[in-house]
Amino acid sequence: AQSVTQPDIHITVSEGASLELRCNYSYGATPYLFWYVQSPGQGLQLLLKYFSGDTLVQGIKGFEAEFKRSQSSFNLRKPSVHWSDAAEYFCAVGGRNQGGKLIFGQGTELSVKP
Amino acid sequence: EPEVTQTPSHQVTQMGQEVILRCVPISNHLYFYWYRQILGQKVEFLVSFYNNEISEKSEIFDDQFSVERPDGSNFTLKIRSTKLEDSAMYFCASSVGGYNEQFFGPGTRLTVL
Repeated sequence: AQSVTQPDIHITVSEGASLELRCNYSYGATPYLFWYVQSPGQGLQLLLKYFSGDTLVQGIKGFEAEFKRSQSSFNLRKPSVHWSDAAEYFCAVGGRNQGGKLIFGQGTELSVKP
Repeated sequence: EPEVTQTPSHQVTQMGQEVILRCVPISNHLYFYWYRQILGQKVEFLVSFYNNEISEKSEIFDDQFSVERPDGSNFTLKIRSTKLEDSAMYFCASSVGGYNEQFFGPGTRLTVL
């Protein structure tokens, strides 16, 4: 079955510290992978995406993610977290045989302490 | 920058009533989607729509749900007879193609009493 797992429900990091949010997926074909961010009361904003090519993708707000096929992972990273990064982060997978449907993980809530 | 818009931002209804949630996708996009997020849970796919017909729907999208693109700009989700468990945030999304990134609207919070 197709699924996305985000093992960490809640993470707290200090401002200026590095961040890594984990995402593992189960998908039968070549996946398209996405990270979205949701601030309280807001919609989902796309941070970055992976379709093909370079497995290290750069996104907005200084985020990057690395696709590792052997580990079925697409972890999100940021070298230095800012207080405004506090939000909920969702990993999602889609693909050619899904007609555009995205399957989302449970989300990771990020808190940033001063 | 073009964006997906949704109205209303919050809808309160009584159980058994019909509701229509409205969305205006980005103008040059051809694929349209509805997702929902029950409070504290993951975002779940409901339905995708292309070329004036449903491309795919989930098990959640039963006979009580329908979608329509009544004109060139709006995309609606109708729930015929709402249930308490329909209370959720409903997100509309659109994309240029079926396998491109999807742009999400701000959501409509539906509360069924």
